[in-house]
Amino acid sequence: AQTVTQSQPEMSVQEAETVTLSCTYDTSESDYYLFWYKQPPSRQMILVIRQEAYKQQNATENRFSVNFQKAAKSFSLKISDSQLGDAAMYFCAYRSRPTQGGSEKLVFGKGTKLTVNP
Amino acid sequence: SQTIHQWPATLVQPVGSPLSLECTVEGTSNPNLYWYRQAAGRGLQLLFYSVGIGQISSEVPQNLSASRPQDRQFILSSKKLLLSDSGFYLCAWSRSGTHNQPQHFGDGTRLSIL
Repeated sequence: AQTVTQSQPEMSVQEAETVTLSCTYDTSESDYYLFWYKQPPSRQMILVIRQEAYKQQNATENRFSVNFQKAAKSFSLKISDSQLGDAAMYFCAYRSRPTQGGSEKLVFGKGTKLTVNP
Repeated sequence: SQTIHQWPATLVQPVGSPLSLECTVEGTSNPNLYWYRQAAGRGLQLLFYSVGIGQISSEVPQNLSASRPQDRQFILSSKKLLLSDSGFYLCAWSRSGTHNQPQHFGDGTRLSIL
């Protein structure tokens, strides 16, 4: 079974600075998908960024980018120019390539709480 | 555009009482639907998923059940709640038949068992 590990329970960053959140995963599959979700105090889960394992190019979404190292099974999230609104729990998630009639269930890490200091 | 609605937002129930949480999706057809639970300070745990009407798969054995009476309706139920059922419950949907579409989550239900 796949597992996702986020080794940093909490992180903090100064406003306008850059922070990197770590995520590693364990799988024997070669084709899969990785996601970062953000959960602010309102508790809504919001998709931040996604990466297909077959793509070598790292995904970017505005101030958010990933460092995907497939051989190392690492998928870190970099937040540049941090803003107060970035403060939230961040969850790394893994999804297998779906099979016929199968689900696309996500396996989540336990999350990293990010604090942004003004 | 697609939207997902989940209610109620907050629920306080006594031990042993029944439960019914409802989730509906609008703007898409034949979605995959999911129920997750998030215990305090922990990640999300998948409880149930459904790939079609009447098709429910359970990931974790427990006293909860799920049903999908309509294409875009997903219900989480219990006949008798336990203290351990407290938590934050999230419904999610994703497009079926596609490979890289993410799951989209509802706003969640905070369930407290007294």
